[in-house]
Amino acid sequence: GIQVEQSPPDLILQEGANSTLRCNFSDSVNNLQWFHQNPWGQLINLFYIPSGTKQNGRLSATTVATERYSLLYISSSQTTDSGVYFCAGYGPAAGNKLTFGGGTRVLVKP
Amino acid sequence: NAGVTQTPKFRILKIGQSMTLQCTQDMNHNYMYWYRQDPGMGLKLIYYSVGAGITDKGEVPNGYNVSRSTTEDFPLRLELAAPSQTSVYFCASSYRRGSGGGREQFFGPGTRLTVL
Repeated sequence: GIQVEQSPPDLILQEGANSTLRCNFSDSVNNLQWFHQNPWGQLINLFYIPSGTKQNGRLSATTVATERYSLLYISSSQTTDSGVYFCAGYGPAAGNKLTFGGGTRVLVKP
Repeated sequence: NAGVTQTPKFRILKIGQSMTLQCTQDMNHNYMYWYRQDPGMGLKLIYYSVGAGITDKGEVPNGYNVSRSTTEDFPLRLELAAPSQTSVYFCASSYRRGSGGGREQFFGPGTRLTVL
């Protein structure tokens, strides 16, 4: 199966700062999702983005499928952005298995 | 739409007990999944189903069983609970057409299980 690596593993931000999270895949993917797991453990869908760029408020994501990576941008961070951000994708040989990265743990300080 | 719902939210089991985690979706999705998430880790696939009556193993199926008698429901059964099954369990669903790539998955709120 594919390997999914996320960086950085941990990120501490001052409220109002911008940041970029990265997700690298070992093989091509035909589906890519970003999730936010809030401090209460809920998994919230942020983006379904197999390729291209999408924006939703202060968050945006870009996937370059040919180069096997995706980026998540957080602008003007708020304390409510704290939590863990996961990317996940299906590889060409992964069948029905969505493979998750290890996550980026984000703490936004007031 | 309620989306994906799971019950119970929390449960404590003794070693050797059994229980069923319930999962229901109201989005008419054909695919359903069970994942577990251990502390500080990502999610691992336990079982999945591509439609009523069809299930298959994921990465970590040992100690679990599933059934899919309807489109909406996908219960996960733990037999002879062990401390290694202490985890948070997430159910998810998606709509997938044909043999193309997987589609966006939507997750339930999770069940936090402790086995003592």
